[in-house]
Amino acid sequence: GAVVSQHPSRVICKSGTSVKIECRSLDFQATTMFWYRQFPKKSLMLMATSNEGSKATYEQGVEKDKFLINHASLTLSTLTVTSAHPEDSSFYICSARQGGGTGELFFGEGSRLTVL
Amino acid sequence: GDSVTQMEGPVTLSEEACLTINCTYTATGYPSLFWYVQYPGEGLQLLLKATKADDKGSNKGFEATYRKETTSFHLEKGSVQVSDSAVYFCALGTDKLIFGTGTRLQVFP
Repeated sequence: GAVVSQHPSRVICKSGTSVKIECRSLDFQATTMFWYRQFPKKSLMLMATSNEGSKATYEQGVEKDKFLINHASLTLSTLTVTSAHPEDSSFYICSARQGGGTGELFFGEGSRLTVL
Repeated sequence: GDSVTQMEGPVTLSEEACLTINCTYTATGYPSLFWYVQYPGEGLQLLLKATKADDKGSNKGFEATYRKETTSFHLEKGSVQVSDSAVYFCALGTDKLIFGTGTRLQVFP
């Protein structure tokens, strides 16, 4: 199947710094990508829908200024956690839809962020 | 709003045992239902799906039937293997997906 790659897989940063996580669709073009956050023993929570060439659509309760999403090309979306704090520590997962409409979703391996 | 409820794990089984992981949902409309699997160190992968009531999704020996009357989509396998050890997520949706909390399955030889 199609491949979605996230980088970095693990990142540790100091409180107050910003961290960027990349999500790439390696062998297909993705007009839509999704960013999820996964807490321990919790379900994946959809944070935002990233559309190539336009602003991301954020879910209720997700701070737009805190979690900056950029979808600059059909194969790359980035999530930047700005001014990170320990409570932002989590597992962030992206997914990309192959083709339009109801095409299958492919998920990245996830990125574990630890804020000290 | 729409939601998915999965049984809590971990589920611990011996090889060749039968598996059932319960999943129930609440939804407006008629969403598609999915089971995703996450093997250690890997991303989520689609295991099977069903798009309408009474549909049965199947893959790798796993099955799940979209039951509208009981709002359920239980995952079943007749004989599990050690290699099936993973976390299983039930999900619903069409465009955006709503996930359950995941159920860890551990299969021992």
